[in-house]
Amino acid sequence: EADIYQTPRYLVIGTGKKITLECSQTMGHDKMYWYQQDPGMELHLIHYSYGVNSTEKGDLSSESTVSRIRTEHFPLTLESARPSHTSQYLCASSGGGLDTEAFFGQGTRLTVV
Amino acid sequence: TQLLEQSPQFLSIQEGENLTVYCNSSSVFSSLQWYRQEPGEGPVLLVTVVTGGEVKKLKRLTFQFGDARKDSSLHITAAQPGDTGLYLCAGGPGGNEKLTFGTGTRLTIIP
Repeated sequence: EADIYQTPRYLVIGTGKKITLECSQTMGHDKMYWYQQDPGMELHLIHYSYGVNSTEKGDLSSESTVSRIRTEHFPLTLESARPSHTSQYLCASSGGGLDTEAFFGQGTRLTVV
Repeated sequence: TQLLEQSPQFLSIQEGENLTVYCNSSSVFSSLQWYRQEPGEGPVLLVTVVTGGEVKKLKRLTFQFGDARKDSSLHITAAQPGDTGLYLCAGGPGGNEKLTFGTGTRLTIIP
């Protein structure tokens, strides 16, 4: 069973608010990812990290930011939420070598009103 | 950016029928995974294939990795309503590269 956790599971927030989505894993994985996904649609990579103090933008432009101060923790922050940020956000982690399977959290469904 | 195109994008079939979904790329991958995602949940790994030409079976699901390690297929025999979900392939170029996900196939099995 995957040991990766996201909080909150659901979040409804007003426009202009600052929010942080939490993601933690206990598997010691170096690689962590944030994906944005509309219901039933493909995953869009918005941020990834190879390890502590290493973060990169993903393929989909996002106004969010991330940090990786500890191996196990990869929070995502939106300084000023807008309705266009409404989506599901999925966090994942993976190991190295050929065996790069990703383990996903349950996701945070964000609604900005 | 390495792209993984999946086809078909949507597939709706009757229970008991067979189906195949495809995952294609112009890039070579060191490994390829297939995931299934149910509504409201994160994707869950089904299988990893590593060797070109490799075939793996998981009950009624058969996965194949292309000889050139650029493509893969998933075949489901006698589909059941429990197979309904979003199927995603993902390529692992290895080393320090990020995992790349395909565009997804949304499968619906009609009872």
